[in-house]
Amino acid sequence: KAGVTQTPRYLIKTRGQQVTLSCSPISGHRSVSWYQQTPGQGLQFLFEYFSETQRNKGNFPGRFSGRQFSNSRSEMNVSTLELGDSALYLCASSPGTNNEQFFGPGTRLTVL
Amino acid sequence: GENVEQHPSTLSVQEGDSAVIKCTYSDSASNYFPWYKQELGKRPQLIIDIRSNVGEKKDQRIAVTLNKTAKHFSLHITETQPEDSAVYFCAASKIRGANNLFFGTGTRLTVIP
Repeated sequence: KAGVTQTPRYLIKTRGQQVTLSCSPISGHRSVSWYQQTPGQGLQFLFEYFSETQRNKGNFPGRFSGRQFSNSRSEMNVSTLELGDSALYLCASSPGTNNEQFFGPGTRLTVL
Repeated sequence: GENVEQHPSTLSVQEGDSAVIKCTYSDSASNYFPWYKQELGKRPQLIIDIRSNVGEKKDQRIAVTLNKTAKHFSLHITETQPEDSAVYFCAASKIRGANNLFFGTGTRLTVIP
C-alpha cells in the first residue's frame, strides 16, 4: 500500500495570508490526525477526523481548522498566518481507534 | 489533559552499548504508549508500542517496559548501531476514543562508532 502523502511539501507565506495543506491517508484508513512540530514546542496535536467528522481537537486557536472528505483525504487550513505558525505540519492516518498512526512526510510552512 | 515528560533530552552512547529513554505520563486513563523514531528531515516512524495490559514488549534489539502504577514507561535499545542515531519520541493516548497522541519532548540519541 502507498504510504501517507502530504502536499505541498514546502510553503512560504507572509503574515496575514491563509494556507491550505492536504493529506491523503493510507487506503482504507478512516482516521486522519494533524500535528504541529516545532523545535520549541515539539509535536502537538491539532485535531483528528474520522469518517468526515472532527472527533477531537487540541489546544489551538480557531485560525486552525480542517475537514475530511468522503474518500478520507483531509485538508487543514490556517487563516491569518502569524510568524509563530512556522512549523512542520504532519498528518497521520490510522484505520480507526486502537491502532497505530502512520505519519506522512509533512509540510514545512515558513511564515515571513 | 495528558502531560508526557521525557528524559534525557540528549544521549550519547558508544556503538554496542545500551540506551535507555524514560517517560512519565500524568493521566491514569492513558493506556496506549507508542515510541517513534525520527531521523533528520524524515517523518516519525513507529518502532514499538505497548498497551496497558502488558508490562513489557520486545522486538529484536528494542524493548519497552511499562509501570502503570508509577505511570512511567521506558525504551531500551541494546547493541546500539550508528543507524540508531535519531530523535526518539514517546507518546501516550487512550485506546478508546479519538486518535490523539500526547508526545514527549524527544531524545536525541547519538551512537558513536
